[in-house]
Amino acid sequence: DTAVSQTPKYLVTQMGNDKSIKCEQNLGHDTMYWYKQDSKKFLKIMFSYNNKELIINETVPNRFSPKSPDKAHLNLHINSLELGDSAVYFCASSPIGRKNTGELFFGEGSRLTVL
Amino acid sequence: AQSVTQLGSHVSVSEGALVLLRCNYSSSVPPYLFWYVQYPNQGLQLLLKYTSAATLVKGINGFEAEFKKSETSFHLTKPSAHMSDAAEYFCAVSEESGYSTLTFGKGTMLLVSP
Repeated sequence: DTAVSQTPKYLVTQMGNDKSIKCEQNLGHDTMYWYKQDSKKFLKIMFSYNNKELIINETVPNRFSPKSPDKAHLNLHINSLELGDSAVYFCASSPIGRKNTGELFFGEGSRLTVL
Repeated sequence: AQSVTQLGSHVSVSEGALVLLRCNYSSSVPPYLFWYVQYPNQGLQLLLKYTSAATLVKGINGFEAEFKKSETSFHLTKPSAHMSDAAEYFCAVSEESGYSTLTFGKGTMLLVSP
């Protein structure tokens, strides 16, 4: 059983298009995240949601809009794609409160290539 | 604010040799510390974590790390490298709180030669 699953795994698109990446976790966690990994492998947090509420938004362009329909899902929609958006996007989840050990559980990543 | 520095973007070892990947952290409160491994074209897998219990932490695949508060370090070691250990390794820090926000180092690519 996949704990954190993302779709699609690969996405190739043209500049200016709009695309979405979906993420689902079956771990019962309350908090979900999107991280971006650039071409140099650097991982940087983009967003964090706790139980459908946005709690972290790290100076990401407003072309990026996360949406959390419920606490098990966190989708990422990107408008007007630019070349610099090419990266691997990782979804992650974690419990909170006394269950929180700081560990994040990651999906397999979605590689976005903008041409 | 928390930060992580990994010394060396690439580390090369021979199969059977000691693996040492360095990580230093900065945190204003007691930290949680992690090592994750990323194999090519895959996601991140947790190797081990320190969460204020024993300072020597054992992880999967024979890896271990020691938390040294005086040196603000959390170096990763393995006594004998295997070809299958070749991957990207990330050190990360999280401050103890209700919500986790992992701050990652820039990663160290471990290369293992026969």
